[in-house]
Amino acid sequence: GAGVSQSPSNKVTEKGKDVELRCDPISGHTALYWYRQSLGQGLEFLIYFQGNSAPDKSGLPSDRFSAERTGGSVSTLTIQRTQQEDSAVYLCASSLSLTGRDTEAFFGQGTRLTVV
Amino acid sequence: LAKTTQPVSMDSYEGQEVNITCSHNNIATNDYITWYQQFPSQGPRFIIQGYKTKVTNEVASLFIPADRKSSTLSLPRVSLSDTAVYYCLVENYGQNFVFGPGTRLSVLP
Repeated sequence: GAGVSQSPSNKVTEKGKDVELRCDPISGHTALYWYRQSLGQGLEFLIYFQGNSAPDKSGLPSDRFSAERTGGSVSTLTIQRTQQEDSAVYLCASSLSLTGRDTEAFFGQGTRLTVV
Repeated sequence: LAKTTQPVSMDSYEGQEVNITCSHNNIATNDYITWYQQFPSQGPRFIIQGYKTKVTNEVASLFIPADRKSSTLSLPRVSLSDTAVYYCLVENYGQNFVFGPGTRLSVLP
C-alpha cells in the first residue's frame, strides 16, 4: 500500500483480555515506531525497530506490553491482561532510516483501544 | 537525549504569519530538526526538516541559527485549517524518536 496501515482501526476489549495491534509499514522502510496517545495528550514513545531489532524496550509502559517485527515488515504490539489505563490511540510510524535525512516518519491512522 | 521545549499554545488570526520557536539546547552534531503537524484524530504529518540555516517548502519555512540550539517554524498567512498541534522533533543519532509536548495553534477568524 501507499501508506502505513494499522489494524484494527478500533478495538473494544474487556479488562484482563489480551489484544494484538498490527502495523504494516511502507515497503522498504527499515525503521518502525510505536506510540501511544491518550485523549488530548501528546505522543508517548513506546518502542522503535531497526529492521527486526528493537534495541531499547525501556519505553514500554510495563511488562504487559511487548512488540515484535518480522521480515523487516509487519509489526505487532501485544498488550496482555489489558487495564483501563491502556485505553488510548496506538500509532505506528515508519521511515526509510533512523538517522540523517531519511528520517521523515509516516504515520498510520492509529488503533483506538478501549478497555471496558 | 536531546530534549525540546516549545510554547504550550499560541493563538493567531487568519492571514497572519505564525512563528513557533523550539529550544533544543543539547542538540548533537548529527541531529536533524523536524517539525510535524497533527490534526485531531489523525496521526502526525511531516511538515519540514532542516539541519542549519533556512529551509523552505510549499508549506512552511524553518529557520535554524548557527548554534542550532533553537529553531523556528514559520507558517505564512495561516488559515483556519492550520489549527493543529505542531511538534518539534530533534532526532537523536541511533536513539529514540521522541516527540515533545507540542504547541497547540489556534487560528481564529
